[in-house]
Amino acid sequence: GAGVSQSPSNKVTEKGKDVELRCDPISGHTALYWYRQSLGQGLEFLIYFQGNSAPDKSGLPSDRFSAERTGGSVSTLTIQRTQQEDSAVYLCASSVGGGNTEAFFGQGTRLTVV
Amino acid sequence: GDSVTQMEGPVTLSEEAFLTINCTYTATGYPSLFWYVQYPGEGLQLLLKATKADDKGSNKGFEATYRKETTSFHLEKGSVQVSDSAVYFCALTNFGNEKLTFGTGTRLTIIP
Repeated sequence: GAGVSQSPSNKVTEKGKDVELRCDPISGHTALYWYRQSLGQGLEFLIYFQGNSAPDKSGLPSDRFSAERTGGSVSTLTIQRTQQEDSAVYLCASSVGGGNTEAFFGQGTRLTVV
Repeated sequence: GDSVTQMEGPVTLSEEAFLTINCTYTATGYPSLFWYVQYPGEGLQLLLKATKADDKGSNKGFEATYRKETTSFHLEKGSVQVSDSAVYFCALTNFGNEKLTFGTGTRLTIIP
């Protein structure tokens, strides 16, 4: 596609339920990032995939959070047993990699846990 | 680890005023530096970047110079417009640690 696509754009879930957020990066981009943006807050790094290397999971806030990237393309961020503090906008980005290249961001998924 | 410290906001200026948003960083080696912008209702997008010391990134009238001696990458614009109202994020990447590390963001509001 022309850009990074995220789905769903909005998700309302009940506390304790599991959710899956999807990211389709730009074709050919080897690097993929997940960030979280809480209301009025900055960007919190969650996880980073680069090619076939082991992902950098250092930003995942708890073991309820996990992510995978299948075939070096689509990525899914899973949050188990959601809590109200998980409510935020989850942003995905991709880049060609290499450290000094532009990251292209999707529009995000707004997650609301009620 | 690598980190970015950004000028706290929010910042409110009148149209045609001079803008500076401060950004300093802590990183080993030779990071690449970026400014990203998030306009109301839109996704994050790259505004400008610089990949080595003394480089100047520029776009849409904005400029920032990579100063290694002061570990800074301050964003400037000589005459702001209402359409520049947005949230601005300073960020870096580093070889060996290629994830983007962001500052906390600065909300800029320009009033006519």
